[in-house]
Amino acid sequence: EVQLVESGGGLVQPGGSLRLSCAASGFTFSSYEMNWVRQAPGKGLEWVSYISSSGSTIYYADSVKGRFTISRDNAKNSLYLQMNSLRAEDTAVYYCARVGGGAVAGTFDYWGQGTLVTVSS
Amino acid sequence: DIVMTQTPLSLSVTPGQPASISCKSSQSLLHSDGKTYLYWYLQKPGQSPQLLIYEVSSRFSGVPDRFSGSGSGTDFTLKISRVEAEDVGVYYCMQGIHLWTFGQGTKVEIK
Repeated sequence: EVQLVESGGGLVQPGGSLRLSCAASGFTFSSYEMNWVRQAPGKGLEWVSYISSSGSTIYYADSVKGRFTISRDNAKNSLYLQMNSLRAEDTAVYYCARVGGGAVAGTFDYWGQGTLVTVSS
Repeated sequence: DIVMTQTPLSLSVTPGQPASISCKSSQSLLHSDGKTYLYWYLQKPGQSPQLLIYEVSSRFSGVPDRFSGSGSGTDFTLKISRVEAEDVGVYYCMQGIHLWTFGQGTKVEIK
């Protein structure tokens, strides 16, 4: 069974930093591209960042470019999001999501349960 | 950036009745590879989003056949033939031709 479990969320002051983790199991993590998607309280979904299976290709949404860094450790089956210079508008539930293979390549077929990041003084 | 616009933003449906959600993209989602990168998700209350439809009209594994998708280019529709209580939640369309962008979401509730 595919499982994605996020951790690392919490309360942080504006300008602070936080590192999110996503532990993957139930599939060959090193073969799949991964993403972070966030959802502000009561709002819709916003794609944040993408990383290829090897980690060689990375993309960011303009809203986080220069502040967030996505990475992965295929030996540990883990995905990360380093968030620096946090702002109040970064407050959201952060989901890790797998890019599917085969017929569903190009979209997110499995999502974690999310971890809440609150940026407030 | 590609903008995805959903209508309506909310829908109240009697069980057993059909429902329809429209999604329009600011650019064509038809790729040169012949695929159209339009997807539908459902986020049930308190849950993570779940994939319903990929490439406009293909149902993901385990998705009931009362869900169907249609459209082309920039105009797309998700239809539920007979709404059930378990279908409540927020439905999102998403484009995947140039990075990823979601629609605003359509909240479906039961009358």
